Order: sequence, then C-alpha cells, then structure tokens
Amino acid sequence: NAGVTQTPKFQVLKTGQSMTLQCAQDMNHNSMYWYRQDPGMGLRLIYYSASEGTTDKGEVPNGYNVSRLNKREFSLRLESAAPSQTSVYFCASMGFSNYGYTFGSGTRLTVV
Amino acid sequence: AQSVAQPEDQVNVAEGNPLTVKCTYSVSGNPYLFWYVQYPNRGLQFLLKYITGDNLVKGSYGFEAEFNKSQTSFHLKKPSALVSDSALYFCAVRGPLSGGYNKLIFGAGTRLAVHP
Repeated sequence: NAGVTQTPKFQVLKTGQSMTLQCAQDMNHNSMYWYRQDPGMGLRLIYYSASEGTTDKGEVPNGYNVSRLNKREFSLRLESAAPSQTSVYFCASMGFSNYGYTFGSGTRLTVV
Repeated sequence: AQSVAQPEDQVNVAEGNPLTVKCTYSVSGNPYLFWYVQYPNRGLQFLLKYITGDNLVKGSYGFEAEFNKSQTSFHLKKPSALVSDSALYFCAVRGPLSGGYNKLIFGAGTRLAVHP
C-alpha cells in the first residue's frame, strides 16, 4: 500500500549514543516533515524539507540533524541522544497539490 | 503567526450522545483546516479538511466539522458517539500556499473518551 514508512518502530538508546530514524514515502510527494509527540504538547515540528536537497528548521531542531537523501527519503539523526529526546517521532509527507499530510506509524524512542 | 488551540484536554461522552471537540485557530488569510485522529499506539489518520466552500464538512467515520469564520473555530462533531471513537484528536491549520509547500500547525490534542 502507498504511504509513509518509518523504521525502526521502537528503539532504546543510552545517553550519548547516536542513531538515525529512517522515513520513506512512495507517493511522489515533494515535502516531508519530522515531528515529535510528547504528552500534553501535541506535535512539534523538528525539521522539514520542501523538496529534494533542501531542509529547514522547525520549532525544536536542537539536538537533531536531517538529510533529504532523494525525493523519497528523509532521515532524522540524533548525534548524541539525551533523555529529553525520549518521545514518539512521526514522519509525514505532503504533495504539491495536496492540502494535508500523510503520516508514518511512528518511532517510539526511549533514551536512558 | 499561525496557531491552533484545543481548549479541552479531555472530553467525556456517553455512547449514543452527540459529541463536540473544540478547535479555534489564528492564521493570516484564508485558513486550511484539518482534523486528525490517533488511536492508541498508531500514527495519525486524516479525518476531514476544510479548504473552501460549504462551512459544514463531512469526513470519515461519520464525523463532521463546522467552519465558523467569525468565531475562527472549526469544531469537530458527531451526532451519535461510539465507544470505538475513543482516541486522541488533533486539529491543525495551514496558511495559504506559499512557495509550493507549507507546514501544518497542530493543537495540543483532545482525548475523547466515550463510555458505554
């Protein structure tokens, strides 16, 4: 089925470890987004990419980096994980003529 | 700046009763408004959107939402709630299309609990 695929679904990291969250979409969408979801705070935008080769910071970019590898893939990297980065991470995409997002199923990350 | 407010952290409704989940927004220009639903341990699913036209928008699972420009509101409604409607609901707003893309701004979410 067409959609947004995120890997992994679950991850536990130790403080200071690094990891990359992967996201891929097969809908030929131009823009892609990374959000984090925390209780009582809704979804907060970390980074987004309007098109292949461009990325921009969102509300909460500190501690993260991103790569728009091609039109399909948009990865999120934690260089040195901190307990404050314990969260559920969602990737989303939107096409040029579309008006809303298609979301992936999320990655639940715990940093201990 | 764009913003969305969902004033209720939780809404409790008895099964069979009508439900309303409130949302107000602030945006420059004409808003694009959305409702998403999140079931436990799942991603967000699109429910409905308002872009233009009729102020009453119908969506998935029997939900509808009413756009009120003067009150800057976009409340989600359903005539008869089901226990299976229990989930986390997010309202989101997007400003007019700019540069070929745009971002959604989400509210904090409202947890709907439907009791048998």
